[in-house]
Amino acid sequence: GAVVSQHPSWVICKSGTSVKIECRSLDFQATTMFWYRQFPKQSLMLMATSNEGSKATYEQGVEKDKFLINHASLTLSTLTVTSAHPEDSSFYICSAREHRSGGNTIYFGEGSWLTVV
Amino acid sequence: SQKIEQNSEALNIQEGKTATLTCNYTNYSPAYLQWYRQDPGRGPVFLLLIRENEKEKRKERLKVTFDTTLKQSLFHITASQPADSATYLCALITAGNMLTFGGGTRLMVKP
Repeated sequence: GAVVSQHPSWVICKSGTSVKIECRSLDFQATTMFWYRQFPKQSLMLMATSNEGSKATYEQGVEKDKFLINHASLTLSTLTVTSAHPEDSSFYICSAREHRSGGNTIYFGEGSWLTVV
Repeated sequence: SQKIEQNSEALNIQEGKTATLTCNYTNYSPAYLQWYRQDPGRGPVFLLLIRENEKEKRKERLKVTFDTTLKQSLFHITASQPADSATYLCALITAGNMLTFGGGTRLMVKP
């Protein structure tokens, strides 16, 4: 099946600093990528939808200036958490839509653990 | 309001039995419904996709049904194994290409 790679798998950063998480589709082109956040024992929460070459669409309550999303190519989207705070500590997951005739499957990365200290 | 409901209580079954998980939705008209498996600290892994005009889809020991009248999908794992223990998420893809997840059901298969 299609592979989505996410990097880094885990990162620890200091309050006030910025951290970037990459999401790559390794063997397919993804015109649409999604970013989610998941708190322990809770469901995935969609943060934003990223379309290649255009601005991301953010869900209600998600600060676009804090969570910067760039989808510069058909295989790469990045999420930058700016001025990170301890409450931003979470599991961040990206997914990418594989377009095939008659299908519409979405594949997920392995996720990135962010701890802000 | 729109809701996707999965049983939030863990499902405990004996090895070899069939596990059946339920996904109910309200106020959605999904074009597709997907099931994922998620292990602790890992990203969801895609299992099966079923379209609105399909009643049933099978893959090895997995079976998914989709009843758009009842607004329900059932996910079955036959001959369950301890390795099947995980959280299973259903997700709806609506005509606007939005993907929305249910809260997931934790399955525990005991040897």
